[in-house]
Amino acid sequence: NAGVTQTPKFRILKIGQSMTLQCTQDMNHNYMYWYRQDPGMGLKLIYYSVGAGITDKGEVPNGYNVSRSTTEDFPLRLELAAPSQTSVYFCASSYPGGRGADTQYFGPGTRLTVL
Amino acid sequence: GENVEQHPSTLSVQEGDSAVIKCTYSDSASNYFPWYKQELGKRPQLIIDIRSNVGEKKDQRIAVTLNKTAKHFSLHITETQPEDSAVYFCAASISGGYQKVTFGIGTKLQVIP
Repeated sequence: NAGVTQTPKFRILKIGQSMTLQCTQDMNHNYMYWYRQDPGMGLKLIYYSVGAGITDKGEVPNGYNVSRSTTEDFPLRLELAAPSQTSVYFCASSYPGGRGADTQYFGPGTRLTVL
Repeated sequence: GENVEQHPSTLSVQEGDSAVIKCTYSDSASNYFPWYKQELGKRPQLIIDIRSNVGEKKDQRIAVTLNKTAKHFSLHITETQPEDSAVYFCAASISGGYQKVTFGIGTKLQVIP
């Protein structure tokens, strides 16, 4: 299994541009999450999904949108990028029951800079 | 919602000494408490977790303790090695259901050779 993969690894955006961060998992996990991690800070939840077609806001959703059309994919959309969105973005997945339940498996991250 | 406080924010220890990181949580419904290690430039990875039906769990040099009454849990690393240097995050959530995990701010551990 590849686990959780994210693309791109790095990206520089200009203020006002838009982009989509891609996240895919091949573990058949129900739950998927997007976090942002600012320098020296913890992980803040942006959006999460409990299954295809179901998404909900986390702690810091403003400026972002998500969709979940399949179990595998959970893209994060940034509209009108702002310098405050400069951060490292991690996608994660987990499943609710059985051996190893609740553990969050993280992708390698996307480092985004908005100038 | 859940609030997780973690301290210290930075910790320096000599190689071979022990390190202790402490966390408190606010929601008495939380019953799953994982610890993640994040090396520089890498993704967070689970190192140990504990559920509310036990008070202590150990895995080689790493142990976690949980006090449900006081709503706090701690990570203990014994015989520290330079490769233990990393940022450690505690977290709290409710197992199953809508797993909104709340993370602590992180502790940067430096093990001095």
